[in-house]
Amino acid sequence: GENVEQHPSTLSVQEGDSAVIKCTYSDSASNYFPWYKQELGKRPQLIIDIRSNVGEKKDQRIAVTLNKTAKHFSLHITETQPEDSAVYFCAASSVHTDKLIFGTGTRLQVFP
Amino acid sequence: GAVVSQHPSRVICKSGTSVKIECRSLDFQATTMFWYRQFPKQSLMLMATSNEGSKATYEQGVEKDKFLINHASLTLSTLTVTSAHPEDSSFYICSATGTSGAPDTQYFGPGTRLTVL
Repeated sequence: GENVEQHPSTLSVQEGDSAVIKCTYSDSASNYFPWYKQELGKRPQLIIDIRSNVGEKKDQRIAVTLNKTAKHFSLHITETQPEDSAVYFCAASSVHTDKLIFGTGTRLQVFP
Repeated sequence: GAVVSQHPSRVICKSGTSVKIECRSLDFQATTMFWYRQFPKQSLMLMATSNEGSKATYEQGVEKDKFLINHASLTLSTLTVTSAHPEDSSFYICSATGTSGAPDTQYFGPGTRLTVL
């Protein structure tokens, strides 16, 4: 089955710097890759997603890149702000199943 | 759009009792609902997938007789933790896909924190 690995587990950056979180997946049939932000005790919120027919997608300060050949995808946050502090999860699902397999999460801390 | 609610948000119960958690899609029809379990500082672990009107599909290692799932309508799924024990204490989150957004986009409920004494 699908396996998703996520790095780093923790990331601390200064406000205004960029943050990059990387994930790899194992199932070449995976075709949908969402990223979720979860604040303590709250629900995961979809922040951006990408499908396998696209290499990059951007939404204001957030961008996601996908390398199908290498089976990895990354989240890029530019001009980080303290309110970006949260746990970020990547996930993957394949065309054969509607299940999302989540990465282990990255705790991002943005210091003022 | 795409709002999912859960009730209750917190529940404390005694060992041996059963607890029911409701997951509702408020503004769309949820053809598929998912139930996850999340331990502190860990990722979301899928427990089961339920489609309206059919039996849930459980992930390996999840006891179907302990975690009863019912998806009787396109807006409601319930998870019942039967004969709860302290090790069942966790954060339970549902999600739904359906008539809102792309068919594979999952929208999450706010979660239910279960504490078994």
